[in-house]
Amino acid sequence: GQNIDQPTEMTATEGAIVQINCTYQTSGFNGLFWYQQHAGEAPTFLSYNVLDGLEEKGRFSSFLSRSKGYSYLLLKELQMKDSASYLCAVRRYSTLTFGKGTMLLVSP
Amino acid sequence: GAVVSQHPSRVICKSGTSVKIECRSLDFQATTMFWYRQFPKQSLMLMATSNEGSKATYEQGVEKDKFLINHASLTLSTLTVTSAHPEDSSFYICSARDPAGGYLSTDTQYFGPGTRLTVL
Repeated sequence: GQNIDQPTEMTATEGAIVQINCTYQTSGFNGLFWYQQHAGEAPTFLSYNVLDGLEEKGRFSSFLSRSKGYSYLLLKELQMKDSASYLCAVRRYSTLTFGKGTMLLVSP
Repeated sequence: GAVVSQHPSRVICKSGTSVKIECRSLDFQATTMFWYRQFPKQSLMLMATSNEGSKATYEQGVEKDKFLINHASLTLSTLTVTSAHPEDSSFYICSARDPAGGYLSTDTQYFGPGTRLTVL
């Protein structure tokens, strides 16, 4: 089976750094994705990890440890527009299983 | 990147009627499309995997006779919610897989903008 856990909600201040964690137990693994989703909209791709380590992309970085079943998404220099839900998803072959998402609220 | 469209974006219908949602890949051929459902403040739940030219594979607990999926071409999949009831009200999102991406490639699923279904 698949089990993906992430915090329900986080708050942070504009300009700060926030780390959103994701732990998973899955029967197969072909990579881990992070998506951003604003209310009422479809998810948009942020990052992808298939090997252990850190992937950096501008203000966003994602880390993966396959042995620990653990990933995090790091957001730097937070902006108000970063207020959204962040979804961790594990891929097994071509199928994605999503976590419940972490709602991030960025305040001034 | 690849573009996936959905139509309609919003639909309101009466209980007992059927609603068809279209998902199109605009600039690539998608041999596989996925249908998700998302209830308020919940995550995306995979409903079914749609393969061009063959029957869809439904996830456990999803009624295949209620949620009819047709993937008649490489760029179009449709989801029909038959005899819709208020509990079917949800946000339905499709995604399409670009076969040019292998299992080790990134972002092989491209999401449509979603369809908000409200059943009165």
